[in-house]
Amino acid sequence: DTGVSQDPRHKITKRGQNVTFRCDPISEHNRLYWYRQTLGQGPEFLTYFQNEAQLEKSRLLSDRFSAERPKGSFSTLEIQRTEQGDSAMYLCASRQGEDEKLFFGSGTQLSVL
Amino acid sequence: GQSLEQPSEVTAVEGAIVQINCTYQTSGFYGLSWYQQHDGGAPTFLSYNALDGLEETGRFSSFLSRSDSYGYLLLQELQMKDSASYFCALNSGGYQKVTFGIGTKLQVIP
Repeated sequence: DTGVSQDPRHKITKRGQNVTFRCDPISEHNRLYWYRQTLGQGPEFLTYFQNEAQLEKSRLLSDRFSAERPKGSFSTLEIQRTEQGDSAMYLCASRQGEDEKLFFGSGTQLSVL
Repeated sequence: GQSLEQPSEVTAVEGAIVQINCTYQTSGFYGLSWYQQHDGGAPTFLSYNALDGLEETGRFSSFLSRSDSYGYLLLQELQMKDSASYFCALNSGGYQKVTFGIGTKLQVIP
């Protein structure tokens, strides 16, 4: 499979716990995006990497959220001290250079109890 | 910042044509994209406009007017499988961030 893959597909956690999600983009894609989506809404931009550099992070994003992309390959998104409001689908997408197409993974569905 | 507006819901009859409008505000505009998302699925790319005019891809066409900060997606010969949410998305800013609208839920009825 040469698409964008995300792991895990589902995560259930208790409030206050830390969670980490992984995204493996399409191998030649240098741009990687994280989005959050709740029911009936569009994907909300969280952060963006070009290669290993994190170029932009949403101002709406709490300090509890952090993302990395070591060596410009896979990326991780960590949420510390989860809250019920963090429950959402977390989507990763990648694109190559100036190509306009974003390719999305299937997402990680987070439920915070 | 960036903002996009599109209708929240549209209903159309199978075989008909439907147009989904999108207006936007941004600085550093690069282009406007359209994505389709079925319930439970991931968004998939449909079309992209960087320049004014119409782009056609099979039954789907997309239009852009940069002077009006406006675009639309046109779906022809509607099929039941076209029932989905459709998002317009802005590619803008120095780092070409991609910002999505809230989506238009299209229901195709027999």
